[in-house]
Amino acid sequence: GAVVSQHPSWVICKSGTSVKIECRSLDFQATTMFWYRQFPKQSLMLMATSNEGSKATYEQGVEKDKFLINHASLTLSTLTVTSAHPEDSSFYICSARGYNNEQFFGPGTRLTVL
Amino acid sequence: RKEVEQDPGPFNVPEGATVAFNCTYSNSASQSFFWYRQDCRKEPKLLMSVYSSGNEDGRFTAQLNRASQYISLLIRDSKLSDSATYLCVVNDYGNKLVFGAGTILRVKS
Repeated sequence: GAVVSQHPSWVICKSGTSVKIECRSLDFQATTMFWYRQFPKQSLMLMATSNEGSKATYEQGVEKDKFLINHASLTLSTLTVTSAHPEDSSFYICSARGYNNEQFFGPGTRLTVL
Repeated sequence: RKEVEQDPGPFNVPEGATVAFNCTYSNSASQSFFWYRQDCRKEPKLLMSVYSSGNEDGRFTAQLNRASQYISLLIRDSKLSDSATYLCVVNDYGNKLVFGAGTILRVKS
């Protein structure tokens, strides 16, 4: 199947810093990428839908000014958690939609904010 | 009410057992349905799509009942490697995937 990478795989940062997570589709072009967040023992929750060349669409309750999404090319979307706080600690997973509409998931980024 | 509901388990079964998971969804307009598998601290991986006619992939059988808004997954001859969290996923309008919280399966020797 198609490959999606995420970088970094884990990050520990101090409260108040900003963290950037990259999501790349390695062997296909993705006009649409999705960003999810998963807290322990909970389901994946869609945060936003990222479309190449346009603004992301955020789900209800997700602050667009806190979670900045940029989808500048067909193979790269970035999520920046601005001024991170301990409650932002979570597992962030991206997915990219392929031509057959199947979503391929990245390996996830574990963020810990101290 | 959650859009996709699953029994969280855990289901503890011996090797070789048959185990079934159920899932209900609230949006009757949902278009497509899937079972994903998620291992601890990993991303979810597509196990199989679910069709109204029912479908089978080796030891795994999935069923969909649109009238009852109910999805099931049956695993026969459980292996130790089947231990994971199984996520019921519904493709909602707008082509968004909505995930259940998952059912934990532990297969023991």
